[in-house]
Amino acid sequence: EIVMTQSPATLSVSPGDRATLSCRASQSVSRYLAWYQQRPGQAPRLLIFGASTRATNTPARFSGGGSGTEFTLTISSLQSEDFAVYYCQQYGDWPRTFGGGTRVEIK
Amino acid sequence: QVQLVQSGAEVKKPGASVKVSCETSGYTFTAYYIHWVRQAPGQGPEWMGRINPESGGGNLAQKFQGRVTMTRDTSIRTAYMELSSVTSDDTAVYYCARSLLGSYSLDYLDSWGQGTLVTVSS
Repeated sequence: EIVMTQSPATLSVSPGDRATLSCRASQSVSRYLAWYQQRPGQAPRLLIFGASTRATNTPARFSGGGSGTEFTLTISSLQSEDFAVYYCQQYGDWPRTFGGGTRVEIK
Repeated sequence: QVQLVQSGAEVKKPGASVKVSCETSGYTFTAYYIHWVRQAPGQGPEWMGRINPESGGGNLAQKFQGRVTMTRDTSIRTAYMELSSVTSDDTAVYYCARSLLGSYSLDYLDSWGQGTLVTVSS
């Protein structure tokens, strides 16, 4: 199965700063890559699909990039509601697999 | 609006089975796969499988084959996931989520249920 590796595990960022999260796949998933945000006690919420397409209601400060095995999620100016855990997920191969997550915390 | 509402928390003894339901509304039930994803405490999500509500067919992660049964009742727009022979390693929050029927390019999870906590303890 494809292993998804996210880095860093924790990112400490000040409000208003830029955050860049990485996701690496153990083999190519083309652009079949989604990003989810999960706040404490809540279900994950789709942010990005197709590596770079924002889902409905995803603010423009979120952007995704990459293809093949290397992907990034960038939050251009962190707002208070953005402090959460972010997961990448590939849907190009079976079984679908998630990364271990990056926690974005307040610096 | 789109809603996926799951059944309540369960406590099971090792070796038992657990069945979680996912009642949907706000969209055409047979136009979207229902996926099952679990998340153990402090861990990332783990994809278990998906069911096509139109055909009843599905895909299961090899890890769960023989232990997970996914079914649906189209008359009440509800999907079910049953996990048998549970152990403490199955303690997790179980989520249902949907993706649009069609090609690989559409298989991202755009709406999720609220989750069902399953605790396995003797």
